[in-house]
Amino acid sequence: NAGVTQTPKFRILKIGQSMTLQCTQDMNHNYMYWYRQDPGMGLKLIYYSVGAGITDKGEVPNGYNVSRSTTEDFPLRLELAAPSQTSVYFCASSYSRDRENTIYFGEGSWLTVV
Amino acid sequence: DAKTTQPNSMESNEEEPVHLPCNHSTISGTDYIHWYRQLPSQGPEYVIHGLTSNVNNRMASLAIAEDRKSSTLILHRATLRDAAVYYCILRETSGSRLTFGEGTQLTVNP
Repeated sequence: NAGVTQTPKFRILKIGQSMTLQCTQDMNHNYMYWYRQDPGMGLKLIYYSVGAGITDKGEVPNGYNVSRSTTEDFPLRLELAAPSQTSVYFCASSYSRDRENTIYFGEGSWLTVV
Repeated sequence: DAKTTQPNSMESNEEEPVHLPCNHSTISGTDYIHWYRQLPSQGPEYVIHGLTSNVNNRMASLAIAEDRKSSTLILHRATLRDAAVYYCILRETSGSRLTFGEGTQLTVNP
């Protein structure tokens, strides 16, 4: 099991560019999440998905889009990158039928917008 | 999601026990109490969880108050590798959203 895999690990974007952060998990988890973490701060939920074809907004969705066409993949799209989107992005997943609902995180993607 | 309250920071000496508190006065009967920690430059990792009874695993112990309005994560002998931000989270059995607070930054002194 690779767990939750995020790519790329590091990326520098210019203002106005777009990009997609990839996230895939091989644990057959139905719940998946995207968080961002600014320096010295806690994690803020951007979007989440409870299954293929179903997504919903979290606390800070503006400037981002997601899709969930398969159980395994949950890409995060940044349109028209802005300096305020400079952050570390974490993808996570969990299994809803696991009564204790343990969450597994990826290693993070460091994004700088200049 | 029900909210949790943790101290911003705590300090400990190496090889001494550490008690990290968490208040969750609005917890509901079906909420599990989860603890995660985040080492520098890494994603959060699972530490321990419980519902009503105290729990032990190889990483830590979790002490849950009888009224479940508070809990304490116990690291029995802190090491320098335990320096991290510790998050206390309430998890509904059927919950989908997951909200993190600011956590407690634990510093371990040699």
